[in-house]
Amino acid sequence: SAVISQKPSRDICQRGTSLTIQCQVDSQVTMMFWYRQQPGQSLTLIATANQGSEATYESGFVIDKFPISRPNLTFSTLTVSNMSPEDSSIYLCSVARTTNTEAFFGQGTRLTVV
Amino acid sequence: AQSVTQPDIHITVSEGASLELRCNYSYGATPYLFWYVQSPGQGLQLLLKYFSGDTLVQGIKGFEAEFKRSQSSFNLRKPSVHWSDAAEYFCAVGASGNQFYFGTGTSLTVIP
Repeated sequence: SAVISQKPSRDICQRGTSLTIQCQVDSQVTMMFWYRQQPGQSLTLIATANQGSEATYESGFVIDKFPISRPNLTFSTLTVSNMSPEDSSIYLCSVARTTNTEAFFGQGTRLTVV
Repeated sequence: AQSVTQPDIHITVSEGASLELRCNYSYGATPYLFWYVQSPGQGLQLLLKYFSGDTLVQGIKGFEAEFKRSQSSFNLRKPSVHWSDAAEYFCAVGASGNQFYFGTGTSLTVIP
């Protein structure tokens, strides 16, 4: 397994501002992902965080809104930019040690935009 | 296109009763299949996984799941439910590149 520390665990933010969420893993992993879980919904993949290069975004998600960094094999950040109430969700970091293996999840960041 | 269907949005069972949560998937190749559990305010915890081999897989907390290719199903079972099993359960298909497709989840309530 992998121990994933995600910060902050929750936040309440004003609309128009930005929030950066951090994801730290206890050991090197090949794959890191960011998911969004809207209230009462399932998980939707936002992007794959690539070490040393630009993230790969899923349809409906763009870099300007959700910039992602991954400076090394144990750390990534997701920024939610220019927030609106529709961005209120749980944001989850996920990792996999190699391809085609199980994914592990952080505890999530519960974001409320007012 | 890949998809996962969990037909039951909410299930209520009595403590000690058996449980089966349904999952059907659509995937063009051999799937990697997973069940995750999410307790309130928590992240997702892996219950079990199927990659290949024996179609009946055992997981943590007394859960098991059976892969049935002919039915495109991967149902989760537990012979005797405990109150602490109350949570949200997600079935997922793993595609190439570790992209996961999740079902909409089944919320489990356990009554004493």
